[in-house]
Amino acid sequence: GENVEQHPSTLSVQEGDSAVIKCTYSDSASNYFPWYKQELGKRPQLIIDIRSNVGEKKDQRIAVTLNKTAKHFSLHITETQPEDSAVYFCAAYFSGGYNKLIFGAGTRLAVHP
Amino acid sequence: NAGVMQNPRHLVRRRGQEARLRCSPMKGHSHVYWYRQLPEEGLKFMVYLQKENIIDESGMPKERFSAEFPKEGPSILRIQQVVRGDSAAYFCASSYSGTKDEQFFGPGTRLTVL
Repeated sequence: GENVEQHPSTLSVQEGDSAVIKCTYSDSASNYFPWYKQELGKRPQLIIDIRSNVGEKKDQRIAVTLNKTAKHFSLHITETQPEDSAVYFCAAYFSGGYNKLIFGAGTRLAVHP
Repeated sequence: NAGVMQNPRHLVRRRGQEARLRCSPMKGHSHVYWYRQLPEEGLKFMVYLQKENIIDESGMPKERFSAEFPKEGPSILRIQQVVRGDSAAYFCASSYSGTKDEQFFGPGTRLTVL
């Protein structure tokens, strides 16, 4: 079935440390994997995405890696700051021809000063 | 370029009433998606629409829920005879094309059923 699993559900780090969030997906045909950040009471906002034709993508302190063979992808945040505190969702598009975006359950990241 | 608009932002209904949630996509976007987010949970896909067509409604409950995206005007998510379990945040997203483009989310409508 269509499923995206995300771990951990909560993550607490000290400011300046790195944070890693991991996701696995079930559909081997999935080829687009966005990551969204949601602050309390606000809308999800795309922070980075990766397509299946690349294995890694970086944008300043944020990077995403993709292992298509293992069907997992990860978000890496380096030099974390308190403003990185939020809930992070991974997602994967599932095949079938349409844009069905299936989300992971989310990771609540807390960055302590 | 205005983003995705949703209204109302907050909606309170009593059990048995109807809730109507509206979504105006970003300018130039013709693909609309609705998601439901229960408290402390992730986003669950409900329905994907294009103008005047429901493309995928596999995430919609079979009863009481319906969605439309008319030729003119916003997309509407309609919940009839609401129950307490319908209390959630309902997010709308839009994209430019239907080929795995970025989806831009609206601010959401927080529905509370008393």
